[in-house]
Amino acid sequence: EAEVAQSPRYKITEKSQAVAFWCDPISGHATLYWYRQILGQGPELLVQFQDESVVDDSQLPKDRFSAERLKGVDSTLKIQPAELGDSAMYLCASSASGARHTCFGPGTRLTVL
Amino acid sequence: AQSVTQLDSQVPVFEEAPVELRCNYSSSVSVYLFWYVQYPNQGLQLLLKYLSGSTLVKGINGFEAEFNKSQTSFHLRKPSVHISDTAEYFCAVSQNSGGSNYKLTFGKGTLLTVNP
Repeated sequence: EAEVAQSPRYKITEKSQAVAFWCDPISGHATLYWYRQILGQGPELLVQFQDESVVDDSQLPKDRFSAERLKGVDSTLKIQPAELGDSAMYLCASSASGARHTCFGPGTRLTVL
Repeated sequence: AQSVTQLDSQVPVFEEAPVELRCNYSSSVSVYLFWYVQYPNQGLQLLLKYLSGSTLVKGINGFEAEFNKSQTSFHLRKPSVHISDTAEYFCAVSQNSGGSNYKLTFGKGTLLTVNP
């Protein structure tokens, strides 16, 4: 069964450092999402792509976060500089265009010291 | 904007007992509702979804949910739980984010703990 791939699974960094996360969606899924899940809370959408275009990044802290999906396939989420409050699980998800079912990857657990 | 309220942050039950996890949503338009399960340090796995049709939806692992439009609820139930059902459960609503694009809005989650 096709899955959303993410790497790394775990990342520990010090504040003010730069970090990057990678996501490879299910083949053929045009829509890609990055969610942030703070411990004890539900996931919150950071950015949504349709192919290579950003559809929604209203909740992305653009002073330190950036996301790209240059060829409309895999995607990278970057944080620079990382802050203590960025410690969370970062989930990537994908869906076929127009579909309402979303498939999630295993997530990257970020710890900022 | 749509929102989701999960009424219980934690639900402890004994093995083989029935369980209900409550979820209410707010929306003025047609909704699509989902329940996801998350095991420790893992991503979200879809349990079941309501898109249209029958209001009683059956999912994986013996779970089911009932869509109640008048009460704006989508409660999750299982008649007999196992130790392995211990996990965090998230209710979510899908909303249009422009054109044919949709995004999920999640509740805060309910931690189900099944005790022997």
